[in-house]
Amino acid sequence: SQKIEQNSEALNIQEGKTATLTCNYTNYSPAYLQWYRQDPGRGPVFLLLIRENEKEKRKERLKVTFDTTLKQSLFHITASQPADSATYLCALSPIGRRALTFGSGTRLQVQP
Amino acid sequence: KAGVTQTPRYLIKTRGQQVTLSCSPISGHRSVSWYQQTPGQGLQFLFEYFSETQRNKGNFPGRFSGRQFSNSRSEMNVSTLELGDSALYLCASSSEGGFSGANVLTFGAGSRLTVL
Repeated sequence: SQKIEQNSEALNIQEGKTATLTCNYTNYSPAYLQWYRQDPGRGPVFLLLIRENEKEKRKERLKVTFDTTLKQSLFHITASQPADSATYLCALSPIGRRALTFGSGTRLQVQP
Repeated sequence: KAGVTQTPRYLIKTRGQQVTLSCSPISGHRSVSWYQQTPGQGLQFLFEYFSETQRNKGNFPGRFSGRQFSNSRSEMNVSTLELGDSALYLCASSSEGGFSGANVLTFGAGSRLTVL
């Protein structure tokens, strides 16, 4: 069956460190992979999109990698800040499909 | 530019009742998707509408239905509510362009439904 797996355990790091979140998928051949941030009681907010032919994408302190061989995406936040504390969701849509499917998310807690 | 607006934000219903949730997408966005979010199941896709037509549907029972109006506003309805329907219902809009996987979703704040 198709699965998108994110670490369900919260990730706790110290301010200033790099946070790395993982998204693994099985039985998908996605053309695109997206990352969203969700704060408690609010809807997810889009952060980055990466295409299957891109290895890496950056936006300010954020970096996403996409390895279609390993079926994995890594999401990095450098110089993390307490304001980065939130749940981060990966989402993908296979070729030809229209519904964006989300992982369960990983909660990041940045300690000051 | 106004974001995605969902109403009501909070509501409490009892088992057996029905509920209607509303979503106003970003101006110019013609695609509206609905998701259910619960702690145990995460974000689950309900359905997507584009130009008043249901284009995609998730694995939910027929008690869950939706529609889209000519101004792209959308409603979803849940009939014969069950306790397990308690969830955050999220609406998202996107502009139609290119491959769907490249369409970025803009979410509303959600409607928090509690079924007693």
